[in-house]
Amino acid sequence: ETGVTQTPRHLVMGMTNKKSLKCEQHLGHNAMYWYKQSAKKPLELMFVYNFKEQTENNSVPSRFSPECPNSSHLFLHLHTLQPEDSALYLCASSQEPAGLAGGRNEQFFGPGTRLTVL
Amino acid sequence: GESVGLHLPTLSVQEGDNSIINCAYSNSASDYFIWYKQESGKGPQFIIDIRSNMDKRQGQRVTVLLNKTVKHLSLQIAATQPGDSAVYFCAEVGDFNKFYFGSGTKLNVKP
Repeated sequence: ETGVTQTPRHLVMGMTNKKSLKCEQHLGHNAMYWYKQSAKKPLELMFVYNFKEQTENNSVPSRFSPECPNSSHLFLHLHTLQPEDSALYLCASSQEPAGLAGGRNEQFFGPGTRLTVL
Repeated sequence: GESVGLHLPTLSVQEGDNSIINCAYSNSASDYFIWYKQESGKGPQFIIDIRSNMDKRQGQRVTVLLNKTVKHLSLQIAATQPGDSAVYFCAEVGDFNKFYFGSGTKLNVKP
């Protein structure tokens, strides 16, 4: 167990559905991340939140909408997804943003949500 | 966390041997590098990191080497164990905290 939990672990949804993924960490970390891991691509960083503020949006389509109500919780709201959005969605957290010079950068990943869009 | 459908290069080693996994990165401005391990059904696990002002860093049974001249990163695992079987991938972090991940190498440890 890494201290980062994700729910649900598996999700099947239609293209017209609206669903949300939840991530929770009680490690006292200040940075949280959403990643997408597809079967045929390397891991892709989607969003970064630092102290609840979004600091990174890697050209993610607007059908993915992140929300960070506090430093322990991160959501990914999904609506009108496409079949090509089917993937493993991973959440991670770190004490400080990765790459910060001299910072505590180790990222702890959750187990992921396996999303299938029909 | 499985990479079904992704044809990863595979490294097969005998238990007890040393393993070397390589990664080429693309951005000469990247100043921070991370190695991850991902076992089947799990999220990636941080193994070791290195900053661009270093060329070598050692952890417990693992060593990361950075060659900035040829933009090459390697992960060495000493005395490989069956529990080391997983997919390993590197990440480079450049300007403005941009992350770029490699597709990974599958390590298969034979008992």
